[in-house]
Amino acid sequence: EAQVTQNPRYLITVTGKKLTVTCSQNMNHEYMSWYRQDPGLGLRQIYYSMNVEVTDKGDVPEGYKVSRKEKRNFPLILESPSPNQTSLYFCASSFRQGNSPLHFGNGTRLTVT
Amino acid sequence: GENVEQHPSTLSVQEGDSAVIKCTYSDSASNYFPWYKQELGKRPQLIIDIRSNVGEKKDQRIAVTLNKTAKHFSLHITETQPEDSAVYFCAASFNKFYFGSGTKLNVKP
Repeated sequence: EAQVTQNPRYLITVTGKKLTVTCSQNMNHEYMSWYRQDPGLGLRQIYYSMNVEVTDKGDVPEGYKVSRKEKRNFPLILESPSPNQTSLYFCASSFRQGNSPLHFGNGTRLTVT
Repeated sequence: GENVEQHPSTLSVQEGDSAVIKCTYSDSASNYFPWYKQELGKRPQLIIDIRSNVGEKKDQRIAVTLNKTAKHFSLHITETQPEDSAVYFCAASFNKFYFGSGTKLNVKP
């Protein structure tokens, strides 16, 4: 089944403790992206990648890192999480950047205390 | 960059009525306009999309219209059902997706 898989679904952590949220897609998509969703603010892009070893900042990249060493994987790294990073995170992929449908993962609800 | 505005933020309709959600965008280069439905606690899922070379597209009870001159596009849901209750997001894209802030649709039985 074609899908985007994120893990974990729920994560509670403390300020400053490094964490990684994994994202994997099995559709051979070139484009992958991370979004955070906060009430009233819609979906805001954190980072995106147009292909292997190509990543770029989105609208809210501060406090996040990503890597794209393989086409299928695009992990999101929080080196030193802070409470303002408490949010719902979605990974998404599409065949090509910008003009083909985005497929979303199931989301990761992160709480930083 | 692109700016996508979506209205209304909440919409309540009676079952069987129609619902219309409107979005405007600022960048005339945007050429792809998808709509996503997000049910509570779930991921956004594509319900319909339209490209800039098309003015209207329909899929059963759902239709999308695009006015490139005015830079706005709309989602139309006819014969609404309770299972249509969700948050709907529009997006505009050229080489990057910009999302509207969402519309919470409530269909009352």
